Amino acid sequence: AQKITQTQPGMFVQEKEAVTLDCTYDTSDPSYGLFWYKQPSSGEMIFLIYQGSYDQQNATEGRYSLNFQKARKSANLVISASQLGDSAMYFCAMREGGDSNYQLIWGAGTKLIIKP
Amino acid sequence: DAGVTQSPTHLIKTRGQQVTLRCSPISGHKSVSWYQQVLGQGPQFIFQYYEKEERGRGNFPDRFSARQFPNYSSELNVNALLLGDSALYLCASSFRALSGNTIYFGEGSWLTVV
Repeated sequence: AQKITQTQPGMFVQEKEAVTLDCTYDTSDPSYGLFWYKQPSSGEMIFLIYQGSYDQQNATEGRYSLNFQKARKSANLVISASQLGDSAMYFCAMREGGDSNYQLIWGAGTKLIIKP
Repeated sequence: DAGVTQSPTHLIKTRGQQVTLRCSPISGHKSVSWYQQVLGQGPQFIFQYYEKEERGRGNFPDRFSARQFPNYSSELNVNALLLGDSALYLCASSFRALSGNTIYFGEGSWLTVV
């Protein structure tokens, strides 16, 4: 079974509109972390935001916020007031807790295109 | 402060050859991880090193190996290259082996095997 599912292969959004990128995850570990990264065509994976499983509040970083619904196992990324420079691939990733797991598990990504 | 640096940025190799990719973590970060990202897919975990010890290995053949040096930089070696090894290789740097929220990536090394 997929551990990280991103159901939107691609999205077109008008500039200045808000956009929500979906991510659902599957884990039985009570301790885990969820990450969102942006990957422009250059290839660099740019860290955007992090949410820990025990964090009480949704994470926010500037125009980025994470809509964390633990019971639904979803961690959607919300970008407010989208800009042309937001056009890129967006990946959701998970780190599961425990002494034996040190890896990030990744979704397939969503290609976001911002239209002027 | 410098971010994660990787070299080379692009390279082309022939099937059967060997390649070495290099990574320097963010200053103060002791953990380095390697990921392979095939075009159109999310990254796949290859290795993690912390304090010069291997702490995790993904589902990759023994042709893939890595090491971490005393200055925490790292090398990824791939032997007997196959066409399917063509990918973007990403290095990630973090402070601890099992980090909270500080996992940063370099710009990657684009490997093409012909």
